[in-house]
Amino acid sequence: DAKTTQPNSMESNEEEPVHLPCNHSTISGTDYIHWYRQLPSQGPEYVIHGLTSNVNNRMASLAIAEDRKSSTLILHRATLRDAAVYYCILRDNAGGTSYGKLTFGQGTILTVHP
Amino acid sequence: DAGVTQSPTHLIKTRGQQVTLRCSPKSGHDTVSWYQQALGQGPQFIFQYYEEEERQRGNFPDRFSGHQFPNYSSELNVNALLLGDSALYLCASSIDPTGSYNEQFFGPGTRLTVL
Repeated sequence: DAKTTQPNSMESNEEEPVHLPCNHSTISGTDYIHWYRQLPSQGPEYVIHGLTSNVNNRMASLAIAEDRKSSTLILHRATLRDAAVYYCILRDNAGGTSYGKLTFGQGTILTVHP
Repeated sequence: DAGVTQSPTHLIKTRGQQVTLRCSPKSGHDTVSWYQQALGQGPQFIFQYYEEEERQRGNFPDRFSGHQFPNYSSELNVNALLLGDSALYLCASSIDPTGSYNEQFFGPGTRLTVL
């Protein structure tokens, strides 16, 4: 699985936007970019995913660079509940061997201040 | 919908013992994956079960084994426990293991402590 690089930690104030970066310079053409987050004392939860185009859902937006070597998860208005570890994951959709396996890195610890 | 459930919540074992962890997938899901998460680390993939067979395996020794039942629930067994097996064990369920959009739903995990 292709590797991702994320900052160890980031801080934000409540109700301000947060931009969480992820570098994936070795991404292949069939890799989807997925984001999961893990709230304290919980299992990870899906946030968003995309391939080439920017994506929006009720939780966040995903901005993907034109060369796909980096992406940014955007939380438009951070709340205290958004404090979590955010994981950027590449998943190969070429079929065959991936079978949905998620390869987690260290992730980014997001702290949200009141 | 109960989501993914795991039991027990916490477990304490001693070195050399064996342990069985259980997982019930989200309703309608047919695929179960297991992950190990050491303190301060991201989850590490152990294996995935689909149609009652181990479909893919991560870099874990044979002491780690599993099973999937006809109702799609799953067990993770760890033999000859080591201190290093102390971790949070997460179960995740999904549909269609080879699909491009198979969001995985995680349970709350079982915290295993090996003394």
